[in-house]
Amino acid sequence: AQSVTQLGSHVSVSEGALVLLRCNYSSSVPPYLFWYVQYPNQGLQLLLKYTSAATLVKGINGFEAEFKKSETSFHLTKPSAHMSDAAEYFCAVSEAGTASKLTFGTGTRLQVTL
Amino acid sequence: KAGVTQTPRYLIKTRGQQVTLSCSPISGHRSVSWYQQTPGQGLQFLFEYFSETQRNKGNFPGRFSGRQFSNSRSEMNVSTLELGDSALYLCASSLGGLAGLQETQYFGPGTRLLVL
Repeated sequence: AQSVTQLGSHVSVSEGALVLLRCNYSSSVPPYLFWYVQYPNQGLQLLLKYTSAATLVKGINGFEAEFKKSETSFHLTKPSAHMSDAAEYFCAVSEAGTASKLTFGTGTRLQVTL
Repeated sequence: KAGVTQTPRYLIKTRGQQVTLSCSPISGHRSVSWYQQTPGQGLQFLFEYFSETQRNKGNFPGRFSGRQFSNSRSEMNVSTLELGDSALYLCASSLGGLAGLQETQYFGPGTRLLVL
């Protein structure tokens, strides 16, 4: 079974600092990986997804993630944090052939301070 | 294009009751998936419906069931509610294309269920 592990349940950065949220995956087949963001009292919004087309994936709101097979990682980054980035971020993996069945990590809550 | 809508947004029930949640997918989307989100277990896949048929199922007891109508709207039912069923229930829709094609799932705002 495929799975993802998010390291760090809480991450705090200063406004303008680099954001780095970590995600490692476990998969016996090429994975399809996603990052979603959840703002308070809202559903999930897709930030970006990796489907093997390119290892560096650019998403919305200035976020990007790099797929590294050798490290089984798919970390999310943003060069400069903004207060509006404060939210919970989820890494997810789906099995090939079951695009509608996502397995999520436990989430990382990002706090942005002045 | 309107997004995924879920009704009701909030619900309070007591143990032993049953509840039905509704999800209307994005126009043209034929796949609807349901997820349960709790602080303890996180986000867990319940099931997926495509063309009125359950296509995938997660590891939840039979008290959790669903259905999909010909217009792709979906309902989820939980019978004999337990305190542990208190959660945010999220619905997601996608086009539902051929197996192997990776599509994007679009999530609704969720229904927050509180079981007392």
